[in-house]
This record gives sequence, C-alpha cells and structure tokens, in this order.
Amino acid sequence: EFVLTQSPATLSLSPGERATLSCRASQSVSSYLAWYQQKPGQAPRLLIYDASNRATGIPARFSGSGSGTDFTLTISSLEPEDFAVYYCQQRDNWPHIFGQGTKLEIK
Amino acid sequence: QLQLQESGPGLVKPSETLSLTCTVSGGSISSSRYYWGWIRQPPGKGLEWIGSIYYTGTTYYNPSLKSRVTISVDTSKNQFSLKLNSVTAADTAVYYCARANPPDSASGWFDPWGQGTLVTVSS
Repeated sequence: EFVLTQSPATLSLSPGERATLSCRASQSVSSYLAWYQQKPGQAPRLLIYDASNRATGIPARFSGSGSGTDFTLTISSLEPEDFAVYYCQQRDNWPHIFGQGTKLEIK
Repeated sequence: QLQLQESGPGLVKPSETLSLTCTVSGGSISSSRYYWGWIRQPPGKGLEWIGSIYYTGTTYYNPSLKSRVTISVDTSKNQFSLKLNSVTAADTAVYYCARANPPDSASGWFDPWGQGTLVTVSS
C-alpha cells in the first residue's frame, strides 16, 4: 500500500523562526509532489507543485525541495499567518494520496 | 478568475445517495483541457481524493470508493457532479471540488478549490 508520511505531526515554533516540514513516500513519486496550506474553516491552498515550484501568489519564504521519496517544505521566517496545517500530495501513483498533515502551531 | 462552488444537501440519511454539484465560473469546462476533481475531509481529519473527470466524461476514481461513486459532467451548465451511494456515518465530511493541473493530466495537483460543503450522514 502506497503511503505518504508527514513529520512531525505537530511543530511548535515562534514567528521569525525557520520551519522545516517533511513528507516521505513509501515508493518513488519522482518530483510529482505538491504542498498545501489549510487554515481552520478554509479550503486547502496550493503552495508548491512538482516538488519545488511555487504556486501563483505564494510568498518567496515558502520553498520546496526533494525528489524520489523524500521531500521538504521550508518556511524561511515564519509570519503569524503561516500557522496552519500543511499537507503533501503525490500525483505519480494512483490513487492520488495526501499525507496526514503537519500542524504548525505557535510556541 | 476561476471560481468553484459546491452545492447540495447538507444532511443525508444512512443508506441513501449523497449528491453534490460543483459550478465553475470564470472559465469554461468544455473549452479547457483540465480534469476536475472531488476531495473530501472528515471532521478533524485529513484529505481524501474521491475522483476526477475530464470534460469528455473520462473518469478516474479512488479504488476505495469506486464501487459507490459516480462523477459526471454537464458542460452546458458548466458543472460537474458527485454521487456517492449507500452512505454511512463514515461518509460525513466536508466535500471540496477543485481543478486538477496541469492541463490534460488526470494526475495533477489541485488548484483552485471550492470553499467546501459539509455533508452529514445521519438519520
């Protein structure tokens, strides 16, 4: 069974700090991985597609890296509005699978 | 600017059929080359892809739901729809519609998304 595992489940940081979120695939997904941000009561918002491409309107403090099975979303300096849940999603294998999410909370 | 809006009953009885429609505005389903998808999120839980459809009617479904799901498209109304039959409490979720990218790819990332609609399965 194909699985995307995100870590950590919860990340507690302060504004201005650097955040590093991980997504690991149980088998290679090439570079076909996306990252989304979801705030309470809102739909997910696309941040990064195909591992490292920022979506339209996404601030430069968000960056993605990785290929194969290991991927990272980095937020270089946290703003107050960045505290949310983050999901990864792969599109290399059927069915499309999302990770279980990482909650980024204010420390 | 492309916008998507889900609509349908917020309450469905167990064993009945959940029916939702996604209306697309700011762009044409039939003249674009995108797949359009449904994704759901149970309260407090993660995201689950349900299935996707092309304007021609070609569909792809999550195997875990395939036996109960039908996704269809009505290009004259610029809408696509979801039917999920034999629902149980486990199908209670916020249901989102979204466009899959890049064009012509059934396997894509989702952007933009509708705001979502909560469907509760309860008698």
